[in-house]
Amino acid sequence: QKEVEQNSGPLSVPEGAIASLNCTYSDRGSQSFFWYRQYSGKSPELIMSIYSNGDKEDGRFTAQLNKASQYVSLLIRDSQPSDSATYLCAVIGGGADGLTFGKGTHLIIQP
Amino acid sequence: EAGVAQSPRYKIIEKRQSVAFWCNPISGHATLYWYQQILGQGPKLLIQFQNNGVVDDSQLPKDRFSAERLKGVDSTLKIQPAKLEDSAVYLCASSLELGLAASTDTQYFGPGTRLTVL
Repeated sequence: QKEVEQNSGPLSVPEGAIASLNCTYSDRGSQSFFWYRQYSGKSPELIMSIYSNGDKEDGRFTAQLNKASQYVSLLIRDSQPSDSATYLCAVIGGGADGLTFGKGTHLIIQP
Repeated sequence: EAGVAQSPRYKIIEKRQSVAFWCNPISGHATLYWYQQILGQGPKLLIQFQNNGVVDDSQLPKDRFSAERLKGVDSTLKIQPAKLEDSAVYLCASSLELGLAASTDTQYFGPGTRLTVL
């Protein structure tokens, strides 16, 4: 059974600070890693994907992957109130699987 | 480009009744997914289609849930009979690629159908 673990929060961060979200996964054969943002009552939307060890930056977002530690993280720089949402970590195994999601971390950016 | 369409958006039924949800993926997308999201949890994959073939239905409660994707385009998900624990948002997603390429492809989610079973 593949598992993806996230701290459910809430994680409260002051506006303008860096928000750090973490995720661990159980399937060592996992190949693809995603961060989705989900606003209350809305569907998930993809904000970052990462496939190899290291960092990947896109604007204010940086995804970090460490396959040896089975750990994925998302950093949000210069946090804005509009970043307040639930962030879902999702993983795909070695085959053509669907996404396995964590429960999500509820992020609150305090103005 | 039009997104993934789902209907209805909301549905309230009593336990033991049946219900059906419809999904129209993004045009040209070969892979279609149905997820169940219970309040406070992440989405859980129920079934994955590539074109009109089932790739993975290992987490679909087959005694009460069924799904089909006729002609490799639209899909329907049915629950019969519904239980209280089926109350959730049912999300449909689609991606362009087939096979192993789908594992690195973006999945686009529809707005979901919120089901309440009383």
